[in-house]
Amino acid sequence: EDKVVQSPLSLVVHEGDTVTLNCSYEVTNFRSLLWYKQEKKAPTFLFMLTSSGIEKKSGRLSSILDKKELFSILNITATQTGDSAIYLCAELNAGGTSYGKLTFGQGTILTVHP
Amino acid sequence: EAGVAQSPRYKIIEKRQSVAFWCNPISGHATLYWYQQILGQGPKLLIQFQNNGVVDDSQLPKDRFSAERLKGVDSTLKIQPAKLEDSAVYLCASSLYHRPTNTEAFFGQGTRLTVV
Repeated sequence: EDKVVQSPLSLVVHEGDTVTLNCSYEVTNFRSLLWYKQEKKAPTFLFMLTSSGIEKKSGRLSSILDKKELFSILNITATQTGDSAIYLCAELNAGGTSYGKLTFGQGTILTVHP
Repeated sequence: EAGVAQSPRYKIIEKRQSVAFWCNPISGHATLYWYQQILGQGPKLLIQFQNNGVVDDSQLPKDRFSAERLKGVDSTLKIQPAKLEDSAVYLCASSLYHRPTNTEAFFGQGTRLTVV
């Protein structure tokens, strides 16, 4: 069974700090790794990573995938209170009967204090 | 582009009652997912449809949960009878997912179910 593990489970920082969120996975038929931000109820898409070593960037957020070591990191620089949310990592499966299955980790709760 | 629509937004029921949730995915999206998210946990996949066919329902408690997507567009998820541990947010997501490409899933606002 596919497994996605995130760390830390929660993180409290002050505005301006830089944070690194971790996601490791154990899956068969890996296709892509996705990051989502969940503020209230609906997770909103951040990044999709399919190739190793290619950094994806959006403003202060960036993410990279290591397919050899089976992990991904999400970096947020110069954090703001609006970054407070749950950050979810998910694996997209590409094999057989599990094709298209999206398996989530438990999430990292980020709290940014002013 | 309209997003994934879900209703109701909130529902409170007593245990042993029935409840149904509705989801209308983004137009043209072949794949539809229902997730259950219990407070403090990540979303857990209940069922995945590809058009009107079930791809994965291995984690759906079939003795009480059912889901359908009859015309390959909108979908309903039903719980009958509800238990206290069913209290959670039920999220619907859709993706434009055809082999061999893959796309991200877009989520609706969810339905927060409280069973008392």
